[in-house]
Amino acid sequence: RKEVEQDPGPFNVPEGATVAFNCTYSNSASQSFFWYRQDCRKEPKLLMSVYSSGNEDGRFTAQLNRASQYISLLIRDSKLSDSATYLCVVNINAGGTSYGKLTFGQGTILTVHP
Amino acid sequence: DAGVTQSPTHLIKTRGQHVTLRCSPISGHKSVSWYQQVLGQGPQFIFQYYEKEERGRGNFPDRFSARQFPNYSSELNVNALLLGDSALYLCASSPRGLSNYGYTFGSGTRLTVV
Repeated sequence: RKEVEQDPGPFNVPEGATVAFNCTYSNSASQSFFWYRQDCRKEPKLLMSVYSSGNEDGRFTAQLNRASQYISLLIRDSKLSDSATYLCVVNINAGGTSYGKLTFGQGTILTVHP
Repeated sequence: DAGVTQSPTHLIKTRGQHVTLRCSPISGHKSVSWYQQVLGQGPQFIFQYYEKEERGRGNFPDRFSARQFPNYSSELNVNALLLGDSALYLCASSPRGLSNYGYTFGSGTRLTVV
């Protein structure tokens, strides 16, 4: 079983649509959680951190359920510029030390069309 | 301020050769991590260095090695290159080893092994 699993999509949605991405993780030592965005042939860029209380940044809302080991990202009012690959990322405390490693899902491809 | 800088941006090598990739973290950041991203997959953790010491290692063969210098820059070395080493190699920078605030990636080195 992969440590971080995402639906690879692709998701094709019209402008203005609401789209939701889901992600599950298997390692209970996971300490922090992120969504990254990656444009074609570019580096991943931090979209937002994810907190248990849920957090919102404009049109983007992220949720974390530690009990179910589940993370979600909701994008409202999709824009053409939202087209990208969205990576679910978990920071695992490696070896019981205070140093972590990022574990990525394979990414979910989103295409927003006119 | 400069972000994470990586060099070279592109590289073509033949099987069996050796390659050295370089990374300079954001000023003030003491942790550098290396990731390999093959096409269609999320990045995979290779190494993390913090305060010039290796703090974590992913499931990569001994052909992969790295080091961090006193100025916190880092090198990733890969010996005896295989075709399967063709990938985007990403460097991530953070202030400390474990960051709950995300990591910043460089634009990567795209390595092609022929």
